[in-house]
Amino acid sequence: DGGITQSPKYLFRKEGQNVTLSCEQNLNHDAMYWYRQDPGQGLRLIYYSQIVNDFQKGDIAEGYSVSREKKESFPLTVTSAQKNPTAFYLCASSIRGDGDEQYFGPGTRLTVT
Amino acid sequence: AQSVAQPEDQVNVAEGNPLTVKCTYSVSGNPYLFWYVQYPNRGLQFLLKYITGDNLVKGSYGFEAEFNKSQTSFHLKKPSALVSDSALYFCAVREANFGNEKLTFGTGTRLTIIP
Repeated sequence: DGGITQSPKYLFRKEGQNVTLSCEQNLNHDAMYWYRQDPGQGLRLIYYSQIVNDFQKGDIAEGYSVSREKKESFPLTVTSAQKNPTAFYLCASSIRGDGDEQYFGPGTRLTVT
Repeated sequence: AQSVAQPEDQVNVAEGNPLTVKCTYSVSGNPYLFWYVQYPNRGLQFLLKYITGDNLVKGSYGFEAEFNKSQTSFHLKKPSALVSDSALYFCAVREANFGNEKLTFGTGTRLTIIP
């Protein structure tokens, strides 16, 4: 899992509550990413950031928000507007450059009831 | 637009036999191709990548993959499977355009090595 930490590993919330997932990296990577993993659907990109104070929507950004105030940190907030928030959330980072692979954190499993 | 397909949800291989996990891709220009492995309740681990050059790429844990431009494929292979290779494998593609940071993943192939 390299130098990327995600906390907590498991998270439980009631429907209607916002929840923030933490992602920190000490790899000095410029780019950071949030993915959602559901069974049989692979990984889907939620948001990504190529540089501090800038981020872009991915393929499934609705109901999510992010911030990138520091290079090391890219927290994801799952809002009450997200209709199916229960999933495994993965954070990743990479050096900004041609062909660079992404390094993944251990993930956070969010359960909303 | 970029996309990737993993046609097999599940692959079963006897221990010691060669294994292949299939991947095909679609991009407008040149591709960057990646393989990742995921163990239960863990993040993804990078195995190998093709950027340019030799079509046969060697990676971690004895895995290799062959880039075939005419067939738009990037199949993952290993000459002799181990029980510890049992995991979920993801192929991913990114079109080689400056500023394109988005990686598109396949739906994954669950590899089971039978002792």
